[in-house]
This record gives sequence, structure tokens and C-alpha cells, in this order.
Amino acid sequence: QKEVEQDPGPLSVPEGAIVSLNCTYSNSAFQYFMWYRQYSRKGPELLMYTYSSGNKEDGRFTAQVDKSSKYISLFIRDSQPSDSATYLCAMRKTGGYNKLIFGAGTRLAVHP
Amino acid sequence: DVKVTQSSRYLVKRTGEKVFLECVQDMDHENMFWYRQDPGLGLRLIYFSYDVKMKEKGDIPEGYSVSREKKERFSLILESASTNQTSMYLCASSTGTANYEQYFGPGTRLTVT
Repeated sequence: QKEVEQDPGPLSVPEGAIVSLNCTYSNSAFQYFMWYRQYSRKGPELLMYTYSSGNKEDGRFTAQVDKSSKYISLFIRDSQPSDSATYLCAMRKTGGYNKLIFGAGTRLAVHP
Repeated sequence: DVKVTQSSRYLVKRTGEKVFLECVQDMDHENMFWYRQDPGLGLRLIYFSYDVKMKEKGDIPEGYSVSREKKERFSLILESASTNQTSMYLCASSTGTANYEQYFGPGTRLTVT
């Protein structure tokens, strides 16, 4: 079983829709939770990160962490064609140096 | 703006060849990483380095080696390329222990025939 599971999609939604992207994980030691966005033919870039539990909002994007369920989500409101990309969740433990564990990525297409 | 550059966008090599992938970052970051990205498998860590001349194995180091002689440069070496090393290779860098924010290069698409 992978430490981090992410539905690869693809997910296709109309412009303006609310998008929900999710990951589950098995290691309760994870404390940092990240979402990276990767456009076609580009490297991933950090979109949001959350430490421990709770919500974090940045413009149209909201990241949620539910540690009791070992489940994280990224919501995109009023989705735009420019949001079309692959979204990767990533996690790490706290303390010292710890590597990031990435999900497989979900491909999202927002059509006009 | 942090910039991570990789020596090639596309590379085609033959089985058994020695392959060098170069990565350079311009933000004086301590940490540098090499990943490979395959469909359905996400990013898998090959090697990382937290200082000059230091290296640590990641999850899939077999068939690879690395070199970090200067802080800004991290090289990935495929000693004898094989077809199962056909993949997208991504280099990343980060500062200190706050490595949750990694800055990635554009990737090198390597095909081994």
C-alpha cells in the first residue's frame, strides 16, 4: 500500500465549477501537507501548504486537513481554464530533515 | 525569483550508455533533489543532497549516482542506462530544513532505446 493515495483522474469540469481534489495517507506522523500544481511541460510549483490540521485559504483555493481521517483536500472555487493542470499532494514528517512523499497527481481540465 | 535549470529538456540515449543530467540553482539553497516522474507513480525521490559533497539515497537509488561538487550544481548519473530508466527527471532545490517548499526545474525527458 502506498503511503499517499491520490486519484489520478482525469477530472473535467466546466468553467466556474467548484473543484475538490483529495488525498488519503497512512502515516500518522505526517505533519506538513502541501499541494503542488504542475502545468504541462513544466516542473511542479508549490500552491499551498498547511501545518498539522485545519483549513487554509488563499484566494480561490482552500486547503483542508483532517488528521483523524488521514484525508486532505484542495478546493478550487470559480475554476478557470488557467487552473487546468496536474495537482500533486505531498506530505512530510516534522523535525530535522524529512523527505516529501508525493501523491501520483490528479489531472484537472477546466473547459470554457 | 528562484531559478532551477536543467541541462536538457529532451534526451535520447542507447542502452548501456553513461548519462549525465545536470541541474543548477541560483538561490544559494542548501538542499537539492533528483526525482523521476512516471504516470500513476507520481514523483519518486532518487537522491538528495543537503550540503556540498554530501548525498543521501532516496527511495529508488539503484542504477543511479550523484555528484555535488559545488553548492549550486547537482548532477545525476546513470552509469549504464537501461530502458526502464526512460522517464521524466526533475531536479529541485530548497532552503534549510523548510524543505516543504521545493523549487523545481522544467524536467528532462529521457528516452533510453
